Amino acid sequence: AQSVTQLGSHVSVSEGALVLLRCNYSSSVPPYLFWYVQYPNQGLQLLLKYTSAATLVKGINGFEAEFKKSETSFHLTKPSAHMSDAAEYFCAVRLGGYNKLIFGAGTRLAVHP
Amino acid sequence: DTAVSQTPKYLVTQMGNDKSIKCEQNLGHDTMYWYKQDSKKFLKIMFSYNNKELIINETVPNRFSPKSPDKAHLNLHINSLELGDSAVYFCASSHGLAGVTDTQYFGPGTRLTVL
Repeated sequence: AQSVTQLGSHVSVSEGALVLLRCNYSSSVPPYLFWYVQYPNQGLQLLLKYTSAATLVKGINGFEAEFKKSETSFHLTKPSAHMSDAAEYFCAVRLGGYNKLIFGAGTRLAVHP
Repeated sequence: DTAVSQTPKYLVTQMGNDKSIKCEQNLGHDTMYWYKQDSKKFLKIMFSYNNKELIINETVPNRFSPKSPDKAHLNLHINSLELGDSAVYFCASSHGLAGVTDTQYFGPGTRLTVL
């Protein structure tokens, strides 16, 4: 069965530091993978997605993620954190032909001055 | 200009009541979804409709009944509300089902509190 695991429910970084949010997937077929961000009291916004084209995917707000099949990972990174990046981040894998998204448990990113 | 909108944004009600949440998308999409986000932020799909046809129906109590009057709307009706139904409910839509570009776009959520 397809699933995603997000390592670390809380990540705290200093403003200007590297952001690394980890996501590992389990899939018997080439996966479609997504990162969504949820700001407080808001809906989910797509950051980026992997659809079997380039393994390094660039998204909005300076985020990027690299698909590594050998490690079954799709970690999200940003070179320099900004205070406005504080939010909940969700990794998701698309299951089957019905566009069903399976979400990870989420990682809360805190950015401190 | 809101792409996916939900009403109401907040809903507070007593146990045993029946309530509905409405969702509308103006993106011209064919597929719509309902997700539930619990108090620990865990997101799980509940239902999906494609061209007004139910295509995903997860293990959800039959007190929950989705209705899609047209492709732009997907409403969620909940009968006999229970404390455990308290959650944030998100509507989403996508162009289709299986294409590379079938990204799901989410609404702002409806926070349901059952007292």
